[in-house]
Amino acid sequence: DVKVTQSSRYLVKRTGEKVFLECVQDMDHENMFWYRQDPGLGLRLIYFSYDVKMKEKGDIPEGYSVSREKKERFSLILESASTNQTSMYLCASSPRSGVVEQYFGPGTRLTVT
Amino acid sequence: QKEVEQDPGPLSVPEGAIVSLNCTYSNSAFQYFMWYRQYSRKGPELLMYTYSSGNKEDGRFTAQVDKSSKYISLFIRDSQPSDSATYLCAMSATSSTLGRLYFGRGTQLTVWP
Repeated sequence: DVKVTQSSRYLVKRTGEKVFLECVQDMDHENMFWYRQDPGLGLRLIYFSYDVKMKEKGDIPEGYSVSREKKERFSLILESASTNQTSMYLCASSPRSGVVEQYFGPGTRLTVT
Repeated sequence: QKEVEQDPGPLSVPEGAIVSLNCTYSNSAFQYFMWYRQYSRKGPELLMYTYSSGNKEDGRFTAQVDKSSKYISLFIRDSQPSDSATYLCAMSATSSTLGRLYFGRGTQLTVWP
């Protein structure tokens, strides 16, 4: 079974803090994704990566950065957390070719106070 | 206009009812169509996957794609309380190396006993 794990299920941070969200997948997938999910807005793509050290902006990259130093790990960084970044963050992965479905982690509920 | 439109509901039905969930889209290049199910406080999981037009059946679930109308549906027969979840449609233009999916906002379904 594909396994995508995220470092924390719940996280509470203060405004202005630097926040790291970690995602690890164990299926040797090339593609990895970070989304945020908010009520009424659905899933919105923040950043994605199709290879080590490669990254592409999604629809809402402002206020976020990412790092992919190893194939299995994709990190989302909030440089200076703000209250409007309170959200559910979901990581996903998929193989490079063939199947297009994405496999999701359990999510991190981030609260910025 | 979002590329994928989905009525967020909520939808509430009695056990045993037939449920119809729908999405419309604007990008005629979409070829791959998926339905994800997301239980509360969990990540989305792939439920059904269809390539191009036509129907696909899996137990109580049937996915339909009408590319001429840019309209996809998910039908749930004999709905059960365990079907209570948020259902997200997702689609992709190609099985490209970048693997990006475009999601609807999700429809929240409650099946009451």
